[in-house]
Amino acid sequence: GAVVSQHPSRVICKSGTSVKIECRSLDFQATTMFWYRQFPKQSLMLMATSNEGSKATYEQGVEKDKFLINHASLTLSTLTVTSAHPEDSSFYICSALGPSYEQYFGPGTRLTVT
Amino acid sequence: AQSVTQLDSQVPVFEEAPVELRCNYSSSVSVYLFWYVQYPNQGLQLLLKYLSGSTLVESINGFEAEFNKSQTSFHLRKPSVHISDTAEYFCAVSEGYSTLTFGKGTMLLVSP
Repeated sequence: GAVVSQHPSRVICKSGTSVKIECRSLDFQATTMFWYRQFPKQSLMLMATSNEGSKATYEQGVEKDKFLINHASLTLSTLTVTSAHPEDSSFYICSALGPSYEQYFGPGTRLTVT
Repeated sequence: AQSVTQLDSQVPVFEEAPVELRCNYSSSVSVYLFWYVQYPNQGLQLLLKYLSGSTLVESINGFEAEFNKSQTSFHLRKPSVHISDTAEYFCAVSEGYSTLTFGKGTMLLVSP
């Protein structure tokens, strides 16, 4: 139980385009999901907390207009990187807060902006 | 504010040797503590956690960690490592049911 999926697992996009990453809780409902960013050989940095039916809470320094988060249902949160630039290339990982208040992590999405 | 320090960025060991990955935290309130493992190009998998009760917690694959409140530590140990244990290990802390704060990670490199 408590499986979280992410789609796509890898994506390559051209500079200036937008890309959407989906995070789904497959066997439980999650009112809260989290989006992290991980640079090579570094730790996870929390980008934002996504709450179903309300606006996401962004961490300091994260541009909310660039990283659009939508949590329209109890099993799906999406992260859209708008007007992507090469410096946005990273590994994006989501997690969902489960019934025991434990975070369950998705497998991650590798974004490469050319 | 809470923070996590993993002193070792990389720990090389030989197969079947014991290993300890160090983790220290700082927080002004009671915390929950976690160890996660990350294999290359994958997400994080929970290895073990301390929420309350016994200060010694164990995972199903032989790892254990002990919560030491006086030393604000939650070191991860395994008496005998396998090649397959090679991965990045992250210590994390949360204050109640709130966001996780991660350490910088420790790369465990197990060689034959």
